[in-house]
Amino acid sequence: AQSVSQHNHHVILSEAASLELGCNYSYGGTVNLFWYVQYPGQHLQLLLKYFSGDPLVKGIKGFEAEFIKSKFSFNLRKPSVQWSDTAEYFCAVNAAQAGTALIFGKGTTLSVSS
Amino acid sequence: GAVVSQHPSRVICKSGTSVKIECRSLDFQATTMFWYRQFPKQSLMLMATSNEGSKATYEQGVEKDKFLINHASLTLSTLTVTSAHPEDSSFYICSASSRQNTEAFFGQGTRLTVV
Repeated sequence: AQSVSQHNHHVILSEAASLELGCNYSYGGTVNLFWYVQYPGQHLQLLLKYFSGDPLVKGIKGFEAEFIKSKFSFNLRKPSVQWSDTAEYFCAVNAAQAGTALIFGKGTTLSVSS
Repeated sequence: GAVVSQHPSRVICKSGTSVKIECRSLDFQATTMFWYRQFPKQSLMLMATSNEGSKATYEQGVEKDKFLINHASLTLSTLTVTSAHPEDSSFYICSASSRQNTEAFFGQGTRLTVV
């Protein structure tokens, strides 16, 4: 069975600080990896995804993530956060075959002060 | 990306009544649909997976007689919360994927409040 671990429960940063949120997964086969963001009171939005190819993927709003297969990791980064990045961030994984559910990590709350 | 529409976005019901939530794929055939539940400030927990025309597969701890899932067509799945109680109050989210796609697309979610 797959599992996803997000190391940081709550991260507090000042504007312009750099961000890195950790995500590790457990699964023996080929996976797809995702990062979602949920702004207060809103539904999930896809930030970026990795299926195959270049392990460094770029998403919306200046976010990027790097897949390191040997470490089973898919950390999310942003060089300079903004107040508007305050939100809940979820890492998710599914087996790379049709019809498999996404399994989510517990989420990381990011609070950015202006 | 593909569009998944969930309805209603919010519903308030009385304890003991049943509530039906619809999940529609608008521009693709959803051979598989997933239902999640999200408690306040927590992650999404998979409740069940349904394949079109088949019975849903429920995750451990999810009561199949309480959370009835129907996936009768390639564009529609419904979740019915039967005999709802206040502890069923939560945010329910569906997602859908097709045979050709390993990515699932999410609906907007339904906020259920049982009073």
